[in-house]
Order: sequence, then C-alpha cells, then structure tokens
Amino acid sequence: DVKVTQSSRYLVKRTGEKVFLECVQDMDHENMFWYRQDPGLGLRLIYFSYDVKMKEKGDIPEGYSVSREKKERFSLILESASTNQTSMYLCAATSAGRHEQFFGPGTRLTVL
Amino acid sequence: AQSVTQPDIHITVSEGASLELRCNYSYGATPYLFWYVQSPGQGLQLLLKYFSGDTLVQGIKGFEAEFKRSQSSFNLRKPSVHWSDAAEYFCAVVTGNTNAGKSTFGDGTTLTVKP
Repeated sequence: DVKVTQSSRYLVKRTGEKVFLECVQDMDHENMFWYRQDPGLGLRLIYFSYDVKMKEKGDIPEGYSVSREKKERFSLILESASTNQTSMYLCAATSAGRHEQFFGPGTRLTVL
Repeated sequence: AQSVTQPDIHITVSEGASLELRCNYSYGATPYLFWYVQSPGQGLQLLLKYFSGDTLVQGIKGFEAEFKRSQSSFNLRKPSVHWSDAAEYFCAVVTGNTNAGKSTFGDGTTLTVKP
C-alpha cells in the first residue's frame, strides 16, 4: 500500500507567520491532494496536483498556495496564517485511474 | 453539481448490534463510490469501493455496502458491531475527470458503540 507521510502531527503558529505543511508519498502516484477537515464540514478540498508543477484549485483555495517540484512531495503553504486557518489538514495521493485515495495521518494546525 | 449526503451526523449502537450508515449521492453518470473510516486523530482509511458489477461489495473489517442506482444510495452495513468500530465514517464519490481521482466527500457520520 501507499505510504503517505506528513511532516508534523501537531503545529502551533502565530498569526501572520508563513507556514509550510509537507506531504510525501512513496508509491510514485501522479495525483496528490490537500484537504482541511473541520467539525461538521467534512473534508474540503484546498488544492490538488495531477503532475509535477501542475496544480488546480479546489473548493477553498483562498489563503493557501501549493508547490509540487517533485512527484513524491506536495507542499501546502499558508502565506500569512490567520486564526480561521486553525484546522486539521489531510494530504492524500492516488494513481491516475485508480480512484481510491491514500491519506496521511494529518497535521493539526493551531494559529494563535 | 455532484454531491454526497450522509443524513446521520451521529449514530449510537450497542456492541454486537447491526449497523447501517446511509449515503446518498447526486451525480449524472455511473459513479465510483467509496467508504472511508477515520479513527480519532488519524487519517482516512479505505473500507470498500464500488466501480461496477456486483452491487453488493465486501470490504475490510467485516463491512459491506450495497449500491442502489434507483435510490442513488450506497449504504454501509455491518451485521455485528465491535467496540473498535467506533470512528467517523465518510462516503465519497469520484467526479469529473476520473484520471485525476478527485473525490467529493460527505460530511461524515460519527459512530459511538455502547458496551
């Protein structure tokens, strides 16, 4: 099975800081995704990438950017963190045409 | 637009009782459907999937789900719940360009298991 790892399980940052969340997958999958998860709102797609240097906005891209310089790594960037970005962030990967997603353990980000 | 609805936010069942979690989808074409489970503080894990063929699919941990096109439903079932099944469950459908694997998720159902 695909292993997806995220750089931190818990992260505490201050308002206005630039925040990097890293995600790495080990199975050469083409597609990678960033979601945020909030109680009662399910999973909401922030950005996804279907190839190196390719990205598409998801449903809630405002306040976020992404980077995919290598196939195995997909980074989520909060340019200037705000308190309303306090959330659980989940990364996922899937191969083209396979459909089911493999998730990392999540990063719980708190912005003070 | 495609959507997934899980009508039950929270369900409580007794250990050993049967379980059914409901999922309804709205999508024009034949959907690819999934159920995922999330234990506290963890990422999501695939339980089972439906692409085509037999409408009753078996998954891990003794779960099964039935696709009913006429009802636009994909309900998850388990005949006898174990305490370790307490978790949050998400139904999902793959939409759009299937090569991209982009999924729409329901809001989730939290399962509590009483001893």
